[in-house]
Amino acid sequence: SYELTQPPSVSVSPGQTVSITCSGPKLGDNYACWYQQKPGQSPVLIIYQDDKRPSGIPEQFSGSKSGNTATLTISGTQVMDEADYYCQAWATKVFGGGTKLTVL
Amino acid sequence: EVQLVESGGDLVQPGGSLRLSCAASRFTFNGYWMNWVRQAPGKGLEWVANIKNDGSDKHYVDSVRGRFTISRDNAKNSLYLQMNSLRAEDTAVYYCAREVSGGIDIWGQGTMVTVSS
Repeated sequence: SYELTQPPSVSVSPGQTVSITCSGPKLGDNYACWYQQKPGQSPVLIIYQDDKRPSGIPEQFSGSKSGNTATLTISGTQVMDEADYYCQAWATKVFGGGTKLTVL
Repeated sequence: EVQLVESGGDLVQPGGSLRLSCAASRFTFNGYWMNWVRQAPGKGLEWVANIKNDGSDKHYVDSVRGRFTISRDNAKNSLYLQMNSLRAEDTAVYYCAREVSGGIDIWGQGTMVTVSS
């Protein structure tokens, strides 16, 4: 079955920049999107079609893709950005396992 | 505000059935593909199924194909998920979600399904 691999956790200091990767075979042929999910809340779309931000999503969130690896970058990270982040390969609808971001 | 509200989650025994509903409001429901996504307790997101605007095309994750059926009633602005032959591993919060090109942009609050004897 198709799988997307994300690091289980990453940590960052407030104000710094952090990147979360998402890798999978043929991801280069797929659009990737990213979701943010805070505890007890529904997911929120923050990046779609590899690098586009929906209306209302701050510019601190950016996406990119190179080959079979998509990357979510959060600049000027704040405590409120602590959440789980999930990538998704759009053509297959498969989600990555999620990455827990800790800001400390 | 665009809204999706799920209902129908419950405690059900293994092998049982359950029907989830999702009421959509404040957008043109028949203009969008719709999805069900689930999340087991403490686990990640898993896409379950989606259905085309007019209901003519449906897709399922392998683990539910043949047991679950997604459907919609555009006259009622409603999405459904009929779940049969339920297993313990189907225990999860089930989200109704709207897709746009390249992502799922609107999510409901979720409804909990627990499969246990």
